[in-house]
Amino acid sequence: GAVVSQHPSRVICKSGTSVKIECRSLDFQATTMFWYRQFPKKSLMLMATSNEGSKATYEQGVEKDKFLINHASLTLSTLTVTSAHPEDSSFYICSARGGIQAFFGQGTRLTVV
Amino acid sequence: QQQVKQSPQSLIVQKGGIPIINCAYENTAFDYFPWYQQFPGKGPALLIAIRPDVSEKKEGRFTISFNKSAKQFSLHIMDSQPGDSATYFCAASMLETSGSRLTFGEGTQLTVNP
Repeated sequence: GAVVSQHPSRVICKSGTSVKIECRSLDFQATTMFWYRQFPKKSLMLMATSNEGSKATYEQGVEKDKFLINHASLTLSTLTVTSAHPEDSSFYICSARGGIQAFFGQGTRLTVV
Repeated sequence: QQQVKQSPQSLIVQKGGIPIINCAYENTAFDYFPWYQQFPGKGPALLIAIRPDVSEKKEGRFTISFNKSAKQFSLHIMDSQPGDSATYFCAASMLETSGSRLTFGEGTQLTVNP
């Protein structure tokens, strides 16, 4: 099946710094990718829809200046958490559509200390 | 109207049992209903999906039952094994609109005891 690779799987950063998470579709082109946030024992919460070559669409309540999304190619989308704070600590997951199926990355555990 | 309600929140069965997880939706425009399995610290993986033109779909030990008039669908896991212990999410989307975004249920934590 199609593969979506997310990197890094785990990152610890200091409060106030920025962290970039990469999401790549390895064997298919994805014009649309999605970024989710997941709290412990909770469901996936859609943060934004990333569109290749255009601006991302953010869900209500998600700060676009804090969570910068870039979708520069058909196989790569990046999420940058800017000026991270401890409350940004979470599990971030990307997804890309291949046909009608959505394939998910392995997730990134972000810890802000 | 975009919500998908999932139950139960948690479920414990013995090996060989048949856990059943239920989901209900409101938006009749949804036309794609996948189920995902998620292990701790990992991203969700697609298990099985159904379109509303069929009432049942079976893949291996996993079966989706779909009731269009009731706007409900469920996942059955036959001959469950301890390795099936995970969190299961139902989802729904409109394939041709909304960027094909998925709306997820709240999740069910399944434990299969040996």
